[in-house]
Amino acid sequence: GAVVSQHPSRVICKSGTSVKIECRSLDFQATTMFWYRQFPKQSLMLMATSNEGSKATYEQGVEKDKFLINHASLTLSTLTVTSAHPEDSSFYICSARDPGGGGYEQYFGPGTRLTVT
Amino acid sequence: QKEVEQDPGPLSVPEGAIVSLNCTYSNSAFQYFMWYRQYSRKGPELLMYTYSSGNKEDGRFTAQVDKSSKYISLFIRDSQPSDSATYLCAMSARTGGFKTIFGAGTRLFVKA
Repeated sequence: GAVVSQHPSRVICKSGTSVKIECRSLDFQATTMFWYRQFPKQSLMLMATSNEGSKATYEQGVEKDKFLINHASLTLSTLTVTSAHPEDSSFYICSARDPGGGGYEQYFGPGTRLTVT
Repeated sequence: QKEVEQDPGPLSVPEGAIVSLNCTYSNSAFQYFMWYRQYSRKGPELLMYTYSSGNKEDGRFTAQVDKSSKYISLFIRDSQPSDSATYLCAMSARTGGFKTIFGAGTRLFVKA
């Protein structure tokens, strides 16, 4: 199956700082990538859909000025959590859609655990 | 009503049992159905995907889709402790731009 990497896997930062998370499709070009947030023992919450070369589409309730998404190339999307606060602590997971496959299945990265102190 | 309903469990079974995981949905436009497995503190891993109705088998896993009942299932034969994980169903429709809707996930424990 297609491989998606995510970096870093774990990050601890101080309140008020910004954190950047990278998501890469390693063996395919992803025109669409997705960013999810997951709280313990809960399902995935879609934050935004990122299309290469255009602005991300944010889900209702997600602050686009706080969660900056950039999809500058067909293999890289980044999520920047700006002015992070403890309530932003969560597990962030990206996924990418492989257009070479059926076109509808998503492949997930391993996730990034963010802890804001 | 949620678009996709999935019992969160937990579901506990002995090793070797046949496991049945299910989801129901309300949107008849859904055409693409997926099952993901997620181990603790890891990203979801795509297990099976099917288009429209029917069965698909891959090793110990069988996915079934019954569009008339809006019901999908994942069967795991000869379950192993390593199958212990959370299983998420997911589905999408071309009319929705393939936006994927996930179930809440069912936590499965397979006891040795």
